[in-house]
Amino acid sequence: AQRVTQPEKLLSVFKGAPVELKCNYSYSGSPELFWYVQYSRQRLQLLLRHISRESIKGFTADLNKGETSFHLKKPFAQEEDSAMYYCALSGRVQGGSEKLVFGKGTKLTVNP
Amino acid sequence: NAGVTQTPKFQVLKTGQSMTLQCAQDMNHNSMYWYRQDPGMGLRLIYYSASEGTTDKGEVPNGYNVSRLNKREFSLRLESAAPSQTSVYFCASQWGRGVGGFFGQGTRLTVV
Repeated sequence: AQRVTQPEKLLSVFKGAPVELKCNYSYSGSPELFWYVQYSRQRLQLLLRHISRESIKGFTADLNKGETSFHLKKPFAQEEDSAMYYCALSGRVQGGSEKLVFGKGTKLTVNP
Repeated sequence: NAGVTQTPKFQVLKTGQSMTLQCAQDMNHNSMYWYRQDPGMGLRLIYYSASEGTTDKGEVPNGYNVSRLNKREFSLRLESAAPSQTSVYFCASQWGRGVGGFFGQGTRLTVV
């Protein structure tokens, strides 16, 4: 079964401080992992894909297969980073369908 | 480029009423998804569809039905609405595993 766990519901940091949002996953195959961001009352936007190893808005995330983790990091948080962050996993299920499941999300607040 | 379009944006239903939430994407994506978003629960998968004519249950399918009318459209039907179905509903589509999902703007449904 596919499962994504985000252990922190809330995370509060000060502007300029480093931030790390944790994500752990469970999946028997080779996972595709993503981070999404949702600003207040807006649609979810794709932030990062593990496959592209990119840095978006200063955020990076590394897939650690040994620890089954995909933590999101930023060295210096900005107030505009305040938002809801979701970790997601896309995996193939029996029958060949592609299932996209999400964690419960972490609400990040960056204080001035 | 519209992306993923959901209608309606807001809806109030009385208990026992029925309604259909519409979703359409113009990106030629194969997979489509319906989620509900509730405080503290994150995004929970209701139903998904790998291709036209196929649908699969997600985590919370009870009380819902879906139709994948064609490659573009994936509708969600509530046959007899209940207050527990008060939520924000998101439709998403995904082309392939490594690409990630694209979301609609959401439907805010209140059942009284």
